[in-house]
Order: sequence, then structure tokens, then C-alpha cells
Amino acid sequence: EAQVTQNPRYLITVTGKKLTVTCSQNMNHEYMSWYRQDPGLGLRQIYYSMNVEVTDKGDVPEGYKVSRKEKRNFPLILESPSPNQTSLYFCASSQQGDQPQHFGDGTRLSIL
Amino acid sequence: GESVGLHLPTLSVQEGDNSIINCAYSNSASDYFIWYKQESGKGPQFIIDIRSNMDKRQGQRVTVLLNKTVKHLSLQIAATQPGDSAVYFCAEITNTGGFKTIFGAGTRLFVKA
Repeated sequence: EAQVTQNPRYLITVTGKKLTVTCSQNMNHEYMSWYRQDPGLGLRQIYYSMNVEVTDKGDVPEGYKVSRKEKRNFPLILESPSPNQTSLYFCASSQQGDQPQHFGDGTRLSIL
Repeated sequence: GESVGLHLPTLSVQEGDNSIINCAYSNSASDYFIWYKQESGKGPQFIIDIRSNMDKRQGQRVTVLLNKTVKHLSLQIAATQPGDSAVYFCAEITNTGGFKTIFGAGTRLFVKA
């Protein structure tokens, strides 16, 4: 089954404790992206990757890092999480950047 | 399920009626547009897309209209069903050397049986 898998689905942690949210897709897609979703703001793009070893900033990259060492994986790293990064996060992938994206089921992060 | 929008614009329609959801996009250089549907507790799902060289595209029960002059996008759903109840987002994709995606704030569609 074609899917985008995110882990964990839920996480409560404390300020400053590094965390990584993993994202994996099994569709051999070149394009992958991370979004955060906050009430009333829709989804905002954090980072995206056009292909392996190619990453670029979206609209809200501050406080986040990503890497794309393999085609299927695109982890989101919060080196020093802060409460304003409490949000619902989605990973997505598509064959190319100008094609419909497939989304994971989301990761709810709470930073205390 | 997850609460994805506490203060979203809401459209309430009777089952069987047609629905029209509107979206104003921001960048006149955007050349690809997508409508997504998001149900509670899930990620967005693709509904229909349109490229900037078109002004209308039809799918099964859905039609997307693009007006580049006023930077406006609309989604029409024919014979709306209870299963269509969800939050709908438009997205614009701009080729900046890479492909940046900007989502609208969303509209909640509520279908009354």
C-alpha cells in the first residue's frame, strides 16, 4: 500500500530536549516536505526536498532542521524545542514538486 | 479526532445541494493549484488540481475554476453528500527554483442530512 509514515504520532516533551520526527515514503517519490498546522493558519511549509541531498526552506524554517540522505526518508529535527513549536506536523511526498502530495497522518507535538 | 481549525470559515449545505468553496491565492507567479480535503484526525487528501494554463477542470462530482485575473480559485462539489463534510484547503505551488507550497487557511464544509 502506498503510504507516508510518520513517527511518533504523539509526543509530549520539554523545552530544550532534542527530538526527531521520522518520515518515510514507499512510493519512490523525489519530492518530500514538512508542514505544521495551527488553528486558523492552515498548513505552513517548514522545509522541502526536491531530491536526495537537496533541501530548501519553506515559509517557517526557524528552529527546525531536515536531512535527505536517502530517497525514502526525510526526518524533521528540533534541536532545542520551544513551546511555540507545539503544533500538528505533517510530512508529505510527491513524484515531483508540481504534483499532488500524499500526506502522512500527522504528529502531534506538545512542548512544555 | 484532531482539531485542525477552531475558527475556520464554515459552509453549511443541505445534502444533495451543490457546494462552492472559494479561495484567494497570493502569488501571481504560481502555476499549479490543488484542492485538498482533510477529515478529522487525518492528513489532507488530494481532490483535484489545475495548472495555470487552464481555467476549468472537472473530476467526478468536483470542478475547479481558476481566475488568474483576480487570483481566485473555487471548488464546486455537485450533489453534496454527508461524506463530503470536512475541511477543504486550496494550495498554490510556485516554481522558485524549487517548488514552494502555500496553503489557504481552509473552509469547513458541513453537510446536513
